[in-house]
Amino acid sequence: ETGVTQTPRHLVMGMTNKKSLKCEQHLGHNAMYWYKQSAKKPLELMFVYSLEERVENNSVPSRFSPECPNSSHLFLHLHTLQPEDSALYLCASSQPGSTTNEKLFFGSGTQLSVL
Amino acid sequence: LAKTTQPISMDSYEGQEVNITCSHNNIATNDYITWYQQFPSQGPRFIIQGYKTKVTNEVASLFIPADRKSSTLSLPRVSLSDTAVYYCLVGLSGGGYNKLIFGAGTRLAVHP
Repeated sequence: ETGVTQTPRHLVMGMTNKKSLKCEQHLGHNAMYWYKQSAKKPLELMFVYSLEERVENNSVPSRFSPECPNSSHLFLHLHTLQPEDSALYLCASSQPGSTTNEKLFFGSGTQLSVL
Repeated sequence: LAKTTQPISMDSYEGQEVNITCSHNNIATNDYITWYQQFPSQGPRFIIQGYKTKVTNEVASLFIPADRKSSTLSLPRVSLSDTAVYYCLVGLSGGGYNKLIFGAGTRLAVHP
């Protein structure tokens, strides 16, 4: 148990569907992240929120829309996805550090399949 | 951000010590070295972090030579449950969040 909970664990959706992934952290952290991990590929950072403000958007297509209503919750809204978007989507959180790199705490991820 | 190079894969047997080396020739003065472990279909988990010399915790040891151009993650007496991907990240976060990039990592397979 990492203190970061993601739902659902598995999701199958068609290309015309709209769905949302949810992430909740119980660690009191100020930063939250969305990563994408395709099969046999490294993690790709998608979005970063710091103090509920989006600070990173790594050229992610507009069919992925993040939302951070407060520092404990993070959503990823999905619409008109493509089969190549099938991947493991991971949420993480961290607390700003002063002299060392902030440790990332990851959830278990949502395994997404787009048909 | 410093570029890292680690072996793509390694094999070991239960009870052996495993050492995974990461090269980071262009590490900056203020950079830290951090290692994560990832099991299939799960998020990575922080293992250990260090700046120089040696760091040890209940899970692993991290050895960093004086020039800091490489680091070695040491896992004592591995078991089958240590089969995972291990990532070496080098850099210094700032601005209130972690900007470090995950590479391909090292796939460790532990055999009976």
